[in-house]
Order: sequence, then structure tokens, then C-alpha cells
Amino acid sequence: EPEVTQTPSHQVTQMGQEVILRCVPISNHLYFYWYRQILGQKVEFLVSFYNNEISEKSEIFDDQFSVERPDGSNFTLKIRSTKLEDSAMYFCASSAPGYTFGSGTRLTVV
Amino acid sequence: KNQVEQSPQSLIILEGKNCTLQCNYTVSPFSNLRWYKQDTGRGPVSLTIMTFSENTKSNGRYTATLDADTKQSSLHITASQLSDSASYICVVSPSGNTGKLIFGQGTTLQVKP
Repeated sequence: EPEVTQTPSHQVTQMGQEVILRCVPISNHLYFYWYRQILGQKVEFLVSFYNNEISEKSEIFDDQFSVERPDGSNFTLKIRSTKLEDSAMYFCASSAPGYTFGSGTRLTVV
Repeated sequence: KNQVEQSPQSLIILEGKNCTLQCNYTVSPFSNLRWYKQDTGRGPVSLTIMTFSENTKSNGRYTATLDADTKQSSLHITASQLSDSASYICVVSPSGNTGKLIFGQGTTLQVKP
């Protein structure tokens, strides 16, 4: 069964550093998403991406965040100048329209 | 504000027993309501998807119901197994074409032998 692949599975970064989280969506899917889940809290929508542009973003998704589909297969989330409160699981998903989530990247900001 | 609330927050049952999880939502209008299973440290996995016109949907030992008038849904798990231990999350997709999902906080189910 097709999968959404996320790398790395764990990332530890120093506060203030930039991180890039990577995702390979299912190949024939057209819609791409990033969600995050802070430990012990609910999964929260960050951003949706369609036709090479952001279609919706939450209030969490401020100027610190950006997304890109650089080469037609990868879908990335960049977090600039990371803060302690950015520590969370970040999930990528794709849909067409059936939704599939990746296994997540656990980001720890120290 | 669009919200999804679940109860109970956690539940412990014995292997082989049945259980029912509840979900109330205020998302309106909505496109569909989903139930996901999430193991610790893993991504959510879809169990059922129902549109606003559907009342019930089954997937093996999982049966979801939906009452769009009262904005309530339930997930019934039959003959529980140890592997059912996980978080069960009610998720609503608002109408519109962005595909955004709104998650509940989940019910943590523990199945004991």
C-alpha cells in the first residue's frame, strides 16, 4: 500500500537554528498538508498546499514557517529560528482526496 | 469556533469486551467525519469516513455512527484485542476545498488481558 514517507524520524536542534522537515507524498496525490502535535495535545493543522501554492494556513503558520515542493516529489516544511515551543511531532499528509499521514518527525528544540 | 470534543478522555477495558467512544462537534458546515487510530509516536491511521448523509459505517470490528442533527458521532469497538490499545481520534473536515482536518483530543484506550 502506498505510503507517505517522512525524514528524519527524529531531529534535535539548538534553539535559533533552522530545520527542514522532509516528506515524500503518495505519487498521484494532489493535496499536501503539514500538521503538528505537541506532546499530550491534539493534532493541529498548519498548512495545506495545492497546485504549488498554499491554499490555507492556520494562525500557527506564521513567518517562521514556510513550505516548498522543490522537485515535484518532495514536500518540505522549513522552520526558521526555532523556539523551544516548536518541539512537537510534525506530520505530513497527502490526499487525492483520500487522506494518508506519514509516521511523523519528532522535533526537539534544546 | 469549530471544535471537536471527545469522551471519555481515557478508558480501560478487558480483552474481549466491547466499548463505545463519543464525539461531539460544532464544525458547520462539514464535509465528512472520520475516526482515526493513533499508536504512540505514529501517524494517525484512518478507520472510517462518513459524509453528513451517512448514519453508520463499519470497518471490521469498528462501527461508527453519525447524527448530523445533534452533531454527535460514536465509535463502537467489538471484541477488543490487546492491539486495540491506542488513541482514537474523531476528526471533522469542514466544507470547502482545502482539505483541512480538525482533530479532537482523542480517547486513550487501554485493553488489558
